[in-house]
Amino acid sequence: DAGVIQSPRHEVTEMGQEVTLRCKLISGHNSLFWYRQTMMRGLELLIYFNNNVPIDDSGMPEDRFSAKMPNASFSTLKIQPSEPRDSAVYFCASSLARRQAHYGYTFGSGTRLTVV
Amino acid sequence: GEDVEQSLFLSVREGDSSVINCTYTDSSSTYLYWYKQEPGAGLQLLTYIFSNMDMKQDQRLTVLLNKKDKHLSLRIADTQTGDSAIYFCAETYSGYSTLTFGKGTMLLVSP
Repeated sequence: DAGVIQSPRHEVTEMGQEVTLRCKLISGHNSLFWYRQTMMRGLELLIYFNNNVPIDDSGMPEDRFSAKMPNASFSTLKIQPSEPRDSAVYFCASSLARRQAHYGYTFGSGTRLTVV
Repeated sequence: GEDVEQSLFLSVREGDSSVINCTYTDSSSTYLYWYKQEPGAGLQLLTYIFSNMDMKQDQRLTVLLNKKDKHLSLRIADTQTGDSAIYFCAETYSGYSTLTFGKGTMLLVSP
């Protein structure tokens, strides 16, 4: 398996533009997580899905952020309009959620977003 | 809510042992993990331990768990410069729950 695949690896955009980050899960995984990492705040959970359904979006900073999971293997995180304070590394992770066991998360390589 | 604490920085010399410590507050934690993040990369699962274990060894890595004190440690034997990275401790209590991560410990290995 190729692992969790994120695109693009780097994104530089101007303030006010729409940004879309993409993530492809590992085949067979049923949970999807979006994280944001900055020096100041560390690793923050933004939203997670289980079986394509958003379970907890309390970490989404504001209405400018939205995430979708149109099918079992793919997700997008959209920021519209983007602001300089959104600059961070955004990670996607997937896992296989089962009641009796936890297998940890597999992370993608991240998208480094810079908003100027 | 749950909390996971780690020291922020550790510096060792090549060949020495490194010990990275982590404390957690959730007494129902069942699964505990160590992740490694190299510069410019995502988090990589290094090893894990279940709460019914005290110790787990995997080549140069030894994980020790003290459930009474809610303390987890990662020992890296014969530390190499390639071990320089940020190490994250994480915990969860069930298969359906989310992981709670610490803020990470930056390990710097000098030649």
